[in-house]
Amino acid sequence: SAVISQKPSRDICQRGTSLTIQCQVDSQVTMMFWYRQQPGQSLTLIATANQGSEATYESGFVIDKFPISRPNLTFSTLTVSNLSPEDSSIYLCQGGNLDTQYFGPGTRLTVL
Amino acid sequence: AQKITQTQPGMFVQEKEAVTLDCTYDTSDPSYGLFWYKQPSSGEMIFLIYQGSYDQQNATEGRYSLNFQKARKSANLVISASQLGDSAMYFCAMREDAGYSSASKIIFGSGTRLSIRP
Repeated sequence: SAVISQKPSRDICQRGTSLTIQCQVDSQVTMMFWYRQQPGQSLTLIATANQGSEATYESGFVIDKFPISRPNLTFSTLTVSNLSPEDSSIYLCQGGNLDTQYFGPGTRLTVL
Repeated sequence: AQKITQTQPGMFVQEKEAVTLDCTYDTSDPSYGLFWYKQPSSGEMIFLIYQGSYDQQNATEGRYSLNFQKARKSANLVISASQLGDSAMYFCAMREDAGYSSASKIIFGSGTRLSIRP
């Protein structure tokens, strides 16, 4: 099984600033995804992080707000830009292959 | 349209009983995969079990089994001999392959909160 780490585990940010979240997988994976989860809600897919190319964003999510990088098969970053209180949420990284998909522990973001 | 449907927002089950969590899905892609995850109150997402659309047999992992009925598009999770530690949110998820793995994405259902009574 893959072990996925995320940094930071939590942060409190001011409105208008940005936060970059790092996701590191301990083995090469074909797929990496970024999700957002509001308290008591399910997971909403933000985008698929594509290795060496632009991420594929879901409806309602745009690159200017959520730039994503994936320079190799084990690492990805998600930046949440121009923060507003509505961005307060848990952000989760997922990685794996066709039949195994594991999650990082999540990043809890609070925007004041 | 809802791709993954979990119709049970909450369930209460007596300890040691078996429990079935429902999941139906909607896809026109012949190649797809189905996942179940457990999310305890600590918030971590724990991968439980996987079923591929071409797998002939139902997947099993310890006390977890997936009752895969392809024609009905259902992928129910069965937990045998439930334990207090099984109390958590359970999410069903589907991967659609869109013809090649690099275009795959995984969509989650709304979840079922399972509570085990002692």
